[in-house]
Amino acid sequence: EVQLVESGGGLVQPGGSLTLSCAASGFTFRDSAIHWVRQSSGKGLEWVGRIRTRHSSYATVYAVSLKGRFTISRDDSKNTAYLQMNSLKTEDTAVYYCTRRGGDYSGMDVWGQGTTVIVSS
Amino acid sequence: EIVLTQSPGTLSLSPGERATLSCRASQSVSSSFLAWYQQSPGQPPRLLLYGTSTRATGIPDRFSGRGSGTDFTLTINRLEPEDSAFYYCQQYDTSPFTFGQGTKLEI
Repeated sequence: EVQLVESGGGLVQPGGSLTLSCAASGFTFRDSAIHWVRQSSGKGLEWVGRIRTRHSSYATVYAVSLKGRFTISRDDSKNTAYLQMNSLKTEDTAVYYCTRRGGDYSGMDVWGQGTTVIVSS
Repeated sequence: EIVLTQSPGTLSLSPGERATLSCRASQSVSSSFLAWYQQSPGQPPRLLLYGTSTRATGIPDRFSGRGSGTDFTLTINRLEPEDSAFYYCQQYDTSPFTFGQGTKLEI
């Protein structure tokens, strides 16, 4: 079964850091670009960023609003992607999804169930 | 950054009717890189269409898409109660790969 499973969410104080993981199974992880998308309670989807494959030099790109606070990485040997979040703000509170881009022209065809991050004192 | 504006915000229709959802971009988007997603409460999004009009695996032909440039449309024919959900468009042509704010479809 093709699957993505996020973990690492939780409660963190403003200004703190947290790293989320996204474990993949059922497909060739190293050949897929991985994106992170978040959704605040009752709100719409917000694209966070993406990491491409080794073939594309693991290129990353991020939402402008994040202003360099978030970093995406991946370990193809572990079939896992990561989202490192620093200088967290209350407005970063959301469900964070990792998702796979299905191919050169495809959209995001596989999604995890999400992990919840709450930034609060 | 490309801003996607979806309309209407909420659409209320009856079973068997047709829904037409709009997605307008602030600048031109290649039709090869425009997708639509469906999200039910408590669930992750599900890919419906990519490349404007290509249905994802398992998506019934009641769902169709069209458009080019800055105007894109998702049409759902013969509405069923389970089509009640939020629908989002996304452009993955130019980073950042933005989403529209969503349309709530009530059946």
